[in-house]
Amino acid sequence: QKEVEQDPGPLSVPEGAIVSLNCTYSNSAFQYFMWYRQYSRKGPELLMYTYSSGNKEDGRFTAQVDKSSKYISLFIRDSQPSDSATYLCAMSLYGNKLVFGAGTILRVKS
Amino acid sequence: DGGITQSPKYLFRKEGQNVTLSCEQNLNHDAMYWYRQDPGQGLRLIYYSQIVNDFQKGDIAEGYSVSREKKESFPLTVTSAQKNPTAFYLCASREGPTGELFFGEGSRLTVL
Repeated sequence: QKEVEQDPGPLSVPEGAIVSLNCTYSNSAFQYFMWYRQYSRKGPELLMYTYSSGNKEDGRFTAQVDKSSKYISLFIRDSQPSDSATYLCAMSLYGNKLVFGAGTILRVKS
Repeated sequence: DGGITQSPKYLFRKEGQNVTLSCEQNLNHDAMYWYRQDPGQGLRLIYYSQIVNDFQKGDIAEGYSVSREKKESFPLTVTSAQKNPTAFYLCASREGPTGELFFGEGSRLTVL
């Protein structure tokens, strides 16, 4: 079993839809949770960073962490074609290396 | 502008040749990382370094080597011992033990 599980997709949605991206993990000690967006042939860039449980909102993006279920989510409201990318979840312990999910390919159709 | 510079962006290699990928950062970060990305497999850690003159193997270090002689630089050598080197390679740096990873633009290596 992988330490972090993420559905690779692809996930296709119409423009304006609400998108839900998810990851599950097995290590209950993870404390730091991140979502990265990666456009084709580019390096990943940080979208959201959350410490421990709870919600965090930034514009059209909301990150949720449920440590009791070992489940994290990224919601994208009013999705745009420019949101089409691969979304990677990542998590770590204090001072430890990040563990990444496989990435979900998202396609937003106009 | 601060950031991470990887070069070359594209590289072609014949079987049996060693190649070195460059990674330079001006973010003043202590920790630097090399990842390999293959379709459907996410990012896999090759090597990382938390301080100059020290580095550790990641999950897939076989066939790779690194050096960390300067804080700003963390080059990766893909040796002929790496059986399947064709991949997208990403260099990253991190500020402190809880900071985000900053990535370079990547280097795509193709073995002919």
